[in-house]
Amino acid sequence: SAVISQKPSRDICQRGTSLTIQCQVDSQVTMMFWYRQQPGQSLTLIATANQGSEATYESGFVIDKFPISRPNLTFSTLTVSNMSPEDSSIYLCSVGSLMNTEAFFGQGTRLTVV
Amino acid sequence: DAKTTQPTSMDCAEGRAANLPCNHSTISGNEYVYWYRQIHSQGPQYIIHGLKNNETNEMASLIITEDRKSSTLILPHATLRDTAVYYCIVRAISSGSARQLTFGSGTQLTVLP
Repeated sequence: SAVISQKPSRDICQRGTSLTIQCQVDSQVTMMFWYRQQPGQSLTLIATANQGSEATYESGFVIDKFPISRPNLTFSTLTVSNMSPEDSSIYLCSVGSLMNTEAFFGQGTRLTVV
Repeated sequence: DAKTTQPTSMDCAEGRAANLPCNHSTISGNEYVYWYRQIHSQGPQYIIHGLKNNETNEMASLIITEDRKSSTLILPHATLRDTAVYYCIVRAISSGSARQLTFGSGTQLTVLP
């Protein structure tokens, strides 16, 4: 299994500002994903982070709002831009590889926008 | 990925077996059944997966019906730490396929002392 470290674990931010969340994996992985979990809800996939190219976004999510970087096989960032209270959620990084059939998750970043 | 249906919530007495059902009547032949759980304020944790045979690991057992239209996750001796939301997910696995998951609402399992 992969060990995933997400930073920060939680933050309280002012509306209109941006927050960058980091995801670091202890081994090279093929796939990295970002999910959002709104209060009391299940997880929703935001995008697939592709190494060396633009991320692949799911319907309802756009690059201007959630820019993603993945400079190498062990690291990715998700930025939540121009935040509003509706962006208050838990953001989770997930990884997978062709060697394993299961996905692994970080502990999440709990974001509160005030 | 096929849709799954799970009860919203269940209770189980500590030390007893917890049996969590999942209905996936539209499952395709190449789709696996996965179970994850999410303990409060943590990221989802992989439990077990299977295709058509029953599976067992150190955490749980997975029983899949012969027609594969439903399955049951069994926690043989539930503890208070097993209180979590349990997600049943059906997805295909193929060479080069991604590992993103489609989460439903899950079942909130509460283990009672």
